[in-house]
Amino acid sequence: EAEVAQSPRYKITEKSQAVAFWCDPISGHATLYWYRQILGQGPELLVQFQDESVVDDSQLPKDRFSAERLKGVDSTLKIQPAELGDSAMYLCASSLSGRSDGELFFGEGSRLTVL
Amino acid sequence: AQSVAQPEDQVNVAEGNPLTVKCTYSVSGNPYLFWYVQYPNRGLQFLLKYITGDNLVKGSYGFEAEFNKSQTSFHLKKPSALVSDSALYFCAVRDTGKSTFGDGTTLTVKP
Repeated sequence: EAEVAQSPRYKITEKSQAVAFWCDPISGHATLYWYRQILGQGPELLVQFQDESVVDDSQLPKDRFSAERLKGVDSTLKIQPAELGDSAMYLCASSLSGRSDGELFFGEGSRLTVL
Repeated sequence: AQSVAQPEDQVNVAEGNPLTVKCTYSVSGNPYLFWYVQYPNRGLQFLLKYITGDNLVKGSYGFEAEFNKSQTSFHLKKPSALVSDSALYFCAVRDTGKSTFGDGTTLTVKP
């Protein structure tokens, strides 16, 4: 069964350091999402791509976060510099299209701890 | 703006008993509603969705959900709970391609 791949699964870093997360969506899925999930809360959308274009990054803290999906396939989310409040699970998801009737397929997530 | 509320942080049931996990929503357009399950340190897995049609939708692992438009609810149900159903459950509403999730309900099924 096709899956969304994410790496690394776990990352521990010190504040002010740079961090990067990678995601490979299910083959053929045009829409890719990055979510942040703080313990005890539901996922919150950081950025949504349709192919290689950003369609929603309204909740992305652009002073320190960046995301790209250069060839419309895999994607990287970067944080620089990391802050203590960035400790969370970063989830990547994909869907066949951006239609509202389609479910999301999530990866296993990347858990970030900032010390 | 759209929103989802899961009024119970925790639901405890005995194995073999029916379970209900509650969800209410607010959306301006047609509601597209979803349930996902999350096991510890894992991503979310899709369970079921309501798009249109029959108000009772059936999904994975014996779960079902009832859409009630007048009460703006989409409660998750299962006739007979299993210990392995213990997990974190999220309700989500999707409109204009954007998903909004509730804060989740932890389901604990005791033997």
